[in-house]
Amino acid sequence: QKEVEQNSGPLSVPEGAIASLNCTYSDRGSQSFFWYRQYSGKSPELIMSIYSNGDKEDGRFTAQLNKASQYVSLLIRDSQPSDSATYLCASRSGGYQKVTFGTGTKLQVIP
Amino acid sequence: SAVISQKPSRDICQRGTSLTIQCQVDSQVTMMFWYRQQPGQSLTLIATANQGSEATYESGFVIDKFPISRPNLTFSTLTVSNMSPEDSSIYLCSVVGLGVDEQYFGPGTRLTVT
Repeated sequence: QKEVEQNSGPLSVPEGAIASLNCTYSDRGSQSFFWYRQYSGKSPELIMSIYSNGDKEDGRFTAQLNKASQYVSLLIRDSQPSDSATYLCASRSGGYQKVTFGTGTKLQVIP
Repeated sequence: SAVISQKPSRDICQRGTSLTIQCQVDSQVTMMFWYRQQPGQSLTLIATANQGSEATYESGFVIDKFPISRPNLTFSTLTVSNMSPEDSSIYLCSVVGLGVDEQYFGPGTRLTVT
């Protein structure tokens, strides 16, 4: 069974620090990886996608992928209280396949 | 990304009744999914809505309880039938657009069953 594992948290970081969110996946055939942000009471919002080993940067967010270790991470630089949310990691093994979601990590950024 | 709307945004229903939730996308999409998210819990996939054919249900979900229609590439409905308080949840429509790999979510429908 395909699984995506995340630490549920909460992960608490002070404002301005780097938040590091981690995720592992079990399906070696996974090709696409996603990070979603979900505020309380809202639906998940896609913030990053990554497909190749290495780093992908978008503003304050950096996604990192290591397929050999089956490991995906999200770094949030200069964390803000508005980044406080649950972050969902997800993977897909190919086109027209359903996405497998982790259970999410709750991030708290302390002012 | 596609703009996804859901109706209703919330509803309070009595047990034993049924509610139909609509999902409308502003552009054609390849895949449409229905998820459920109970308070404080992660996403649970109910089914994949297939255009012009029966939906593909995940383990634990059956067509009699959650009938789904998808008559075209931009619209789908999920019906929650014979509701009980355990069906109180947020129901989310999610889509994958044409020619893209990313999956996006609608705003959700908050259902409370009394």
